Amino acid sequence: GESVGLHLPTLSVQEGDNSIINCAYSNSASDYFIWYKQESGKGPQFIIDIRSNMDKRQGQRVTVLLNKTVKHLSLQIAATQPGDSAVYFCAENSGGSNYKLTFGKGTLLTVNP
Amino acid sequence: DADVTQTPRNRITKTGKRIMLECSQTKGHDRMYWYRQDPGLGLRLIYYSFDVKDINKGEISDGYSVSRQAQAKFSLSLESAIPNQTALYFCATSAGEGEQYFGPGTRLTVT
Repeated sequence: GESVGLHLPTLSVQEGDNSIINCAYSNSASDYFIWYKQESGKGPQFIIDIRSNMDKRQGQRVTVLLNKTVKHLSLQIAATQPGDSAVYFCAENSGGSNYKLTFGKGTLLTVNP
Repeated sequence: DADVTQTPRNRITKTGKRIMLECSQTKGHDRMYWYRQDPGLGLRLIYYSFDVKDINKGEISDGYSVSRQAQAKFSLSLESAIPNQTALYFCATSAGEGEQYFGPGTRLTVT
């Protein structure tokens, strides 16, 4: 069946480095994608989203890239800080106007001081 | 105050007991969702509601029921809890197109 997956379950980086978290999706009909951050003991928190008519979107220290040709999504975090340590999930809307999100399994990002 | 609140935050119950998890939101959103999170499995949709009179099953609805008491309230019930329902449960809301806002979660343990 269709699913959202992640290439790396864990990622460890040094403070100040850039981080890249990847996500593969298989539903070519998905038209909307979100990245969430989940800190320990908390609910997922919205980071950035992108619609399928875009290739790139930038936020504060974060950039999401969408490659529809290979069905790949990535989250880039610039100048990673210890506070960025968390689990990051990608999610896709494969439900059309229903906007039901399908979530990936998550990547644990650890930032070393 | 938080926009999406969940009660209780932690609950330990015994097999066979009925339990209700409650969710309230102050965002004025029509759409509300219940998810379950298990280690290594991500978030899976249990039920969702697009307005007070609309209830829909998600991918893992067996063993669960919901009630949408008002626009701001969406409750999840386990009629007869079993150990494999031990998990972290999240409520979320959305305005429709776009992001979902999550509550802080309820950690449920069924012994």
